Amino acid sequence: DAGVIQSPRHEVTEMGQEVTLRCKPISGHNSLFWYRQTMMRGLELLIYFNNNVPIDDSGMPEDRFSAKMPNASFSTLKIQPSEPRDSAVYFCASSFGFYYGYTFGSGTRLTVV
Amino acid sequence: DQQVKQNSPSLSVQEGRISILNCDYTNSMFDYFLWYKKYPAEGPTFLISISSIKDKNEDGRFTVFLNKSAKHLSLHIVPSQPGDSAVYFCAASGLAGGSQGNLIFGKGTKLSVKP
Repeated sequence: DAGVIQSPRHEVTEMGQEVTLRCKPISGHNSLFWYRQTMMRGLELLIYFNNNVPIDDSGMPEDRFSAKMPNASFSTLKIQPSEPRDSAVYFCASSFGFYYGYTFGSGTRLTVV
Repeated sequence: DQQVKQNSPSLSVQEGRISILNCDYTNSMFDYFLWYKKYPAEGPTFLISISSIKDKNEDGRFTVFLNKSAKHLSLHIVPSQPGDSAVYFCAASGLAGGSQGNLIFGKGTKLSVKP
C-alpha cells in the first residue's frame, strides 16, 4: 500500500487566492482526519470524517476553511481566501477503527505570501 | 486550553543512554494514549500505545509508562540511538475528548541523540 497520499507537497500562493489540498486515504480505512501543524499550536485537528461523513469540524478555524469527502478514496481541504496566517503544514491521516492509530500522509507545506 | 501537554520542547541525550520523554494530560476521561515520531518533511508515524487499563507497555527499546493518578505518561528509549533523533508527539483520546476517535496531540518534544 502506498500509504496516505497528499498533494501538493508544497504550495506557495498569494494572499486572497484559493488553495485546495488533496488527500487519498489508505484503501479500506473508514476515518479521515485533517490536521494543521504550527510552531505555536502544534498538531491541531481541523476536521474528521467517518465513512465519508463529517463528524467533527469544530477545529476548522473560520468559514474560509471547508473540507469535503465525496467518496472513500478522496478528500479535499479548501481555503478561500487564503491569508498569511494560514501558512502551516497540513496533514491528512486515515485509520480503520480508532485504536489502531492513524496513518499520516507526508503533509502539504503551505506558504501564503 | 491544552489537554495534552509536553512541557519540554527539546531534549538532548548521549547515544547509548536512556531518553525519557514526558507527557501530562488534564482530562481524566482519556483512556487511550499513543506516541508518534516525526522526522523532518515526513508525517508523524505511530510508535507505541497504551490503554488506561495498563500501566506499562513495551516494544523493543521503547517502553511507555502510564500513571493515571498523576495523569502522566512517559516514553523511555533504551538505549538511545542517533536514528531516534526526531520530534515525538504524545496523543490521547477517549469519549470525553469531544468526539470518539479524535486524537488530541501535544506540541511535541524534539529529541537529539548525540553520537
